[in-house]
Amino acid sequence: NAGVTQTPKFRILKIGQSMTLQCTQDMNHNYMYWYRQDPGMGLKLIYYSVGAGITDKGEVPNGYNVSRSTTEDFPLRLELAAPSQTSVYFCASSYSRGLSGTYNEQFFGPGTRLTVL
Amino acid sequence: GENVEQHPSTLSVQEGDSAVIKCTYSDSASNYFPWYKQELGKGPQLIIDIRSNVGEKKDQRIAVTLNKTAKHFSLHITETQPEDSAVYFCAAIVGGKLTFGQGTILTVHP
Repeated sequence: NAGVTQTPKFRILKIGQSMTLQCTQDMNHNYMYWYRQDPGMGLKLIYYSVGAGITDKGEVPNGYNVSRSTTEDFPLRLELAAPSQTSVYFCASSYSRGLSGTYNEQFFGPGTRLTVL
Repeated sequence: GENVEQHPSTLSVQEGDSAVIKCTYSDSASNYFPWYKQELGKGPQLIIDIRSNVGEKKDQRIAVTLNKTAKHFSLHITETQPEDSAVYFCAAIVGGKLTFGQGTILTVHP
């Protein structure tokens, strides 16, 4: 298994440009997540999905959009890039939460380092 | 607001010493407390987790303790090695979502 893969690894955008960060997992996980990591700030949840066709906002969703048309893919779209979106972006996936509500390990991709100038 | 606080932000130890990282959380309903290790240029990886029905869990050189009354939990690494050098994140469930601490940069000097 490749696990969680992300492309591209690095990208530089100009202010106002748009782009899509790709994320794919081959573990048949229902849950997928997008985080951003700023220096000294930990990981902040942007959006998440509990299954194909279902997405919901996390803590910092403004300026981003997502879609989930398949179990495997969860792309993150940036429209009108701003310097505040300079960050490292991580995609993650996990098994569904059990009926008892127990949480399971999240598997992370290698990240995309984005710079907006 | 609801959050997870992690201390210290940096920790430097000599090889063979022990390292302790502490976290506090605010959501009393939280019942899952994982710890992730992030090596340079990589994504975080789970190293150990604990659920609220136990007070301590050990896996070789790493252990996690949980005090639900005080709402804090800690990571203990014994006999540290240079390859333990990384950023460590604690996390807890806040408002139904996994919320991460700010991270601790651990440096183990040979």
